[in-house]
Amino acid sequence: GENVEQHPSTLSVQEGDSAVIKCTYSDSASNYFPWYKQELGKRPQLIIDIRSNVGEKKDQRIAVTLNKTAKHFSLHITETQPEDSAVYFCAGGLNQGGKLIFGQGTELSVKP
Amino acid sequence: DAGVTQSPTHLIKTRGQQVTLRCSPKSGHDTVSWYQQALGQGPQFIFQYYEEEERQRGNFPDRFSGHQFPNYSSELNVNALLLGDSALYLCASSLAMGPLTYEQYFGPGTRLTVT
Repeated sequence: GENVEQHPSTLSVQEGDSAVIKCTYSDSASNYFPWYKQELGKRPQLIIDIRSNVGEKKDQRIAVTLNKTAKHFSLHITETQPEDSAVYFCAGGLNQGGKLIFGQGTELSVKP
Repeated sequence: DAGVTQSPTHLIKTRGQQVTLRCSPKSGHDTVSWYQQALGQGPQFIFQYYEEEERQRGNFPDRFSGHQFPNYSSELNVNALLLGDSALYLCASSLAMGPLTYEQYFGPGTRLTVT
């Protein structure tokens, strides 16, 4: 069935270091891969997304890469800051507004 | 411009009871999806409503049902509550244009506790 695996489940880095979170999906038909940031007690917020016709997308300190052949995609955060501390979720789906299959989440902690 | 709103914020129910959760989509949006997020887990898709009809459904039992109103707002109903239904219920809205739909915006969620 449809599944998205996310690793690691927790990640602790020093301020200024880079953080990488990796996801693998099972449904070959998926072509839309968003990343959401969820702070404690708050709603998930979209931070970046990528479509299957693109291999990499960057937005300031955040980048996402996609390997459609291997069904892998990753989130890269550079120059991490304490305010980056949150739970990050990857997801996969057929399109932006349709059913999304979420990973289990990665709790990122950035230590000052 | 109001974002996605949900009510109530918190709810405590007893096993076997029924519950109704409500969602108002972001202004200009016409599609509403519901997700269940258990503690420490990623959101799981329950179903999506468009043009007052269920368009997609996830792997949830028939105890979970929904409705969309002409003003695009939506309700999630859960019957015969189980302890395992305790979770954060998230509503997400988006705009559909033909076969395409655009980015989903999430609401703050309703925290349901079943005792």
